[in-house]
Amino acid sequence: GAGVSQSPRYKVAKRGQDVALRCDPISGHVSLFWYQQALGQGPEFLTYFQNEAQLDKSGLPSDRFFAERPEGSVSTLKIQRTQQEDSAVYLCASSIAIEQFFGPGTRLTVL
Amino acid sequence: AQTVTQSQPEMSVQEAETVTLSCTYDTSESDYYLFWYKQPPSRQMILVIRQEAYKQQNATENRFSVNFQKAAKSFSLKISDSQLGDAAMYFCAYKPQRAAGNKLTFGGGTRVLVKP
Repeated sequence: GAGVSQSPRYKVAKRGQDVALRCDPISGHVSLFWYQQALGQGPEFLTYFQNEAQLDKSGLPSDRFFAERPEGSVSTLKIQRTQQEDSAVYLCASSIAIEQFFGPGTRLTVL
Repeated sequence: AQTVTQSQPEMSVQEAETVTLSCTYDTSESDYYLFWYKQPPSRQMILVIRQEAYKQQNATENRFSVNFQKAAKSFSLKISDSQLGDAAMYFCAYKPQRAAGNKLTFGGGTRVLVKP
């Protein structure tokens, strides 16, 4: 079966642009997570969905970050008015039990 | 808040030798899970090994084993018979067992270099 996929794999944005990052979880996985990984650091939690419900968004760094999962499957992380400090790898993970399965990530570079 | 600390930014090991990666964590929970994830240069994070806090026996997966010391809040990873394919970033991660605590808290990572 297919793993977690993310698109695009690379995104370059000019400061102030809006970007949308997509995550396709493993089919049937109820839980979906977004993490932000700055260069040379460990991933940091952004937000968590159980089906279509966003149960935890405590890690979103500002109101410029918005995530949705309207049908309980594909999720989109949107960043408005991107800033240079938003440059990072954005990882998506899905889970049906204890283990989280990660996608390859989207590397966002804000110029 | 839970924190996870990996004090070794980089470790080097000769092929076929053994290397041990350190991890300490801080939590007030009594039931939780601990994980070691491997992240090769391609960036896809892969689970290496998992330990349930209620289990006294240390987890083992082939060449990978852990030394879990609950009282000391220590969770080290031993890689035996190191192979070139083991070269990667390794992250220690924590997750509480309670239903609402689903997110992983990661350490800063340890880069493992394998010398042929």
